[in-house]
Formats: sequence, structure tokens, C-alpha cells
Amino acid sequence: EDQVTQSPEALRLQEGESSSLNCSYTVSGLRGLFWYRQDPGKGPEFLFTLYSAGEEKEKERLKATLTKKESFLHITAPKPEDSATYLCAVLPRYNQGGKLIFGQGTELSVKP
Amino acid sequence: DSGVTQTPKHLITATGQRVTLRCSPRSGDLSVYWYQQSLDQGLQFLIQYYNGEERAKGNILERFSAQQFPDLHSELNLSSLELGDSALYFCASSVVPQTLGDYGYTFGSGTRLTVV
Repeated sequence: EDQVTQSPEALRLQEGESSSLNCSYTVSGLRGLFWYRQDPGKGPEFLFTLYSAGEEKEKERLKATLTKKESFLHITAPKPEDSATYLCAVLPRYNQGGKLIFGQGTELSVKP
Repeated sequence: DSGVTQTPKHLITATGQRVTLRCSPRSGDLSVYWYQQSLDQGLQFLIQYYNGEERAKGNILERFSAQQFPDLHSELNLSSLELGDSALYFCASSVVPQTLGDYGYTFGSGTRLTVV
């Protein structure tokens, strides 16, 4: 069964304290892995798509990497405005309908 | 504004009632997806439509149904509501369902349903 597991469930950082979020996945063929950011009471906002092992993408203080079994979202020198829930999702290769399988998310809190 | 419009934003209703949630996809997007988000379940896929036709179905309850109209807007109908149906319901849209391209889905801001 296709599955996505994110860890930790919650992460508290001080402003400027870099860290990483993990997304482990089990899927029968990966078409793409997606990272989203979700603020409380709002819809998820797209961050990155990764397609193959070894691929990396960056946006401001965020950098996403992908291996054959997991993805990391590295946050460098975070600011309070980076506080949000970060969601990872996979699109299986066999999937004809575009259904994304989401993890439970990591709730990030950055204190000044 | 993501371009995906969901109405209403909030809905409070009693058990046993029926409600309709509405979604207008981003301009140019042909595919619409419905997800349910609750505290303990995370984002759960309900159903997908592409250009008016049902394309994929998740663990959607028989009490729930959806459709996509010729103008591409979609409605999610929830009937015989139970307390456990209280959740955030998100609609998302994309241009091409098979690959999702480089931008995945675009989500709306959701409808918060409270069943009392």
C-alpha cells in the first residue's frame, strides 16, 4: 500500500536555528513528490515538485532533496514567518487520476 | 488568492442535514479534486473529476456525492450528516491530471464544516 510518513510531527525552533523535516514514502513507482506549506485555516500552498533521486530544489530559506525512499525539507536560518505545517505528498506512477497521497504533516513553530 | 474559489467558507449545520459545497477551479484547469482534512486523518482524497467526468474515487462515503458541471465548477454534496463529518473540505484543481506538471494542485481556501 502506498504510504507517506512525515517526521517529526511537530518541531519548535529558535529563529536562525536550521533544521530538517523528513518525508519517508513507500510507493510502487514514483511519478513525483510534492511539498506544500499550510497556514492555519488555509489551503495548502505549493512549494516544490521533485521527480527523481538526487534532485534538489531551493526557494529562499527552503531546500528540498529526494532519495529513493525519502525526501528532506531543509530550513536554513528560519524566521517566525516560516511557522506553518509542511505537507509532503506523492504521486504514484500508476496513478491515472492525479490523486496525491499526503503525509500527516510537520507543524513547524519558529520563535523569535 | 490561489484562483480556486470555494464557498461557503464556514458552514454550521445539524446532524441529519444535507449541505452542498461549491468549488470553482482556477481558470484553464479541467480537473477538480476534493479532499477532507480532519485533525486525526490529515488530508484524505475523496473524489476527482476531469472535464465533467468522474476520474478517481477515494474512500468517499456513500452519503457523499459530487459532480462537475459543463462550466467546470464542482459541487460536493454531503447528506445525513454526522458529528464525525465535521472537517475542512478542500477543493483543488489542475490542468493535466496525469502528471500534475511542476506545480501540483492549486488548492482553494476550504470550507469549514461543523456538524452540531
